[in-house]
Amino acid sequence: AQSVTQLGSHVSVSEGALVLLRCNYSSSVPPYLFWYVQYPNQGLQLLLKYTTGATLVKGINGFEAEFKKSETSFHLTKPSAHMSDAAEYFCAVSDGSNTGFQKLVFGTGTRLLVSP
Amino acid sequence: GAGVSQSPSNKVTEKGKDVELRCDPISGHTALYWYRQSLGQGLEFLIYFQGNSAPDKSGLPSDRFSAERTGGSVSTLTIQRTQQEDSAVYLCASSLSGATYEQYFGPGTRLTVT
Repeated sequence: AQSVTQLGSHVSVSEGALVLLRCNYSSSVPPYLFWYVQYPNQGLQLLLKYTTGATLVKGINGFEAEFKKSETSFHLTKPSAHMSDAAEYFCAVSDGSNTGFQKLVFGTGTRLLVSP
Repeated sequence: GAGVSQSPSNKVTEKGKDVELRCDPISGHTALYWYRQSLGQGLEFLIYFQGNSAPDKSGLPSDRFSAERTGGSVSTLTIQRTQQEDSAVYLCASSLSGATYEQYFGPGTRLTVT
């Protein structure tokens, strides 16, 4: 079975400060890892993903994440927060050995609050 | 191009009634997923379609829940004899076939059972 833990249901930062959202996963098979963002009353949008290859992945809106197998982590970072980054962020894992489809297991989400 | 659309956007129903939720995937996407987002359970996988067949329906919470997909396109999620615990946002996503392709999510249907 796979699971995801997101530390901190809420994270508050000031505009221009570093954003760090934590994600740890548990998986008995090679994981595929994802970060999604959800704005109010909207669906989820993919920020970035790790499947294979380079462990530092860059996504949209200046976000990046690093897959660290030894720490079973996939933390999301952004050097400088914008007010528009305020949203809910979800980390997700799927079974990387299953090439047929992508059954996502989500964390509980972290709400990012950005103050001026 | 057009994204994933879902209808209705909001649905209020009385306990015990049946409801149907619709998902129109992106044209050409053969994979279609349903998820449920609720306060108590977070985001949960419900069912996956490849074309018109459902190889994985392991997330459906009870036999009151069913889904079908026709013509490799539109999908309908049906909940019979709704209960208050069915209140949630039901999200649909579609993608190209395969485990590495991005899932594109619709805006969801907010279901409230009174």
